[in-house]
Amino acid sequence: SQQGEEDPQALSIQEGENATMNCSYKTSINNLQWYRQNSGRGLVHLILIRSNEREKHSGRLRVTLDTSKKSSSLLITASRAADTASYFCATDETTGGGADGLTFGKGTHLIIQP
Amino acid sequence: SQTIHQWPATLVQPVGSPLSLECTVEGTSNPNLYWYRQAAGRGLQLLFYSVGIGQISSEVPQNLSASRPQDRQFILSSKKLLLSDSGFYLCAWARDRGLGEAFFGQGTRLTVV
Repeated sequence: SQQGEEDPQALSIQEGENATMNCSYKTSINNLQWYRQNSGRGLVHLILIRSNEREKHSGRLRVTLDTSKKSSSLLITASRAADTASYFCATDETTGGGADGLTFGKGTHLIIQP
Repeated sequence: SQTIHQWPATLVQPVGSPLSLECTVEGTSNPNLYWYRQAAGRGLQLLFYSVGIGQISSEVPQNLSASRPQDRQFILSSKKLLLSDSGFYLCAWARDRGLGEAFFGQGTRLTVV
């Protein structure tokens, strides 16, 4: 079953602007991850934030996590045309022993207009 | 370094034909292995996962099966494909018990006609 729900489903912005995507989930988690998928390709891991962390940075990426609201946001600053892709949040739920994989949302399709 | 190979990249199969998709991982031992399916414009649905040779867990009832004959080999199969089996299939591996990042193959686009 899908847990993460990204918002918005699609986002189109101008190059140089910041892009913000949100993710909500339902159950308790060990960590939350963000992945990127170029069209017709596999997913690439971007960043992982643990349940006891509130904010994390990696280059132009900034992720926040609010476990009380069961939500996360991914901010991409100074967007580039090459950032055009689909972005997925994925949660590692505390139930299930940990080996049973990540639960993915439906993704946000980001288009950066040059 | 670790790499994951998944093939074929694209596949067109008639209804009722068998299926075999293969995934292999290099550079690590005893990985957790996963098969996901992605419908058009949708998220990923976990189909199977494996924590060791011969150990397969299924997340959803379906027309597909999985096997892990070797530590770093994961195979997705079907005896008779249905139209509804069309989709984008992704293999992935993870080091830890799901507590770390997952590494994905490039995917197989399966079209059942």
